[in-house]
Amino acid sequence: GESVGLHLPTLSVQEGDNSIINCAYSNSASDYFIWYKQESGKGPQFIIDIRSNMDKRQGQRVTVLLNKTVKHLSLQIAATQPGDSAVYFCAESAKTSYDKVIFGPGTSLSVIP
Amino acid sequence: KAGVTQTPRYLIKTRGQQVTLSCSPISGHRSVSWYQQTPGQGLQFLFEYFSETQRNKGNFPGRFSGRQFSNSRSEMNVSTLELGDSALYLCASSLLGRSETQYFGPGTRLLVL
Repeated sequence: GESVGLHLPTLSVQEGDNSIINCAYSNSASDYFIWYKQESGKGPQFIIDIRSNMDKRQGQRVTVLLNKTVKHLSLQIAATQPGDSAVYFCAESAKTSYDKVIFGPGTSLSVIP
Repeated sequence: KAGVTQTPRYLIKTRGQQVTLSCSPISGHRSVSWYQQTPGQGLQFLFEYFSETQRNKGNFPGRFSGRQFSNSRSEMNVSTLELGDSALYLCASSLLGRSETQYFGPGTRLLVL
């Protein structure tokens, strides 16, 4: 199968600190990027998305940054809470590949109370 | 609105058998995508259906097939099961599937013995 991003890393942060989760994507033609959160026993849950005509997009406590030059995506979570503990996936799609969505391997975020 | 539902939630089969999984998308969503999730390979795209037509396909053998009905409900079938088919099978729906947010179901956990 296809995949994007690094091997599954883990990130531990103190409650209240900011978290930054990184992702490298492979297809320079990708024009839509999404971050998902997956808690144990559940399906992935949409967090935030960004299109290639933007560099930054903010949501509630989350910010996604897109650097097309180096094909890098990041998710910033402000004031991380225990409920943020989960696996986070970045995903990409491109109209040139008929919008097939390719997921990264994920990052496991653990919040220390 | 009710979310994406998948049945059954858990399934145990033996090698050589076949299995059919079902997915009911969010009401009004016409695109349904299927993914396989394993610890070793992460989330891998299987196929996408829109208006009863397969529009995208991932890199899986022909043993994996699917279909979509006129009410947008979808099924996927795996024939001649192999041990390596043990995985969480996730279904996701979106309105039109073109670079849009996908909403995932809880998945079907398949164990092949």
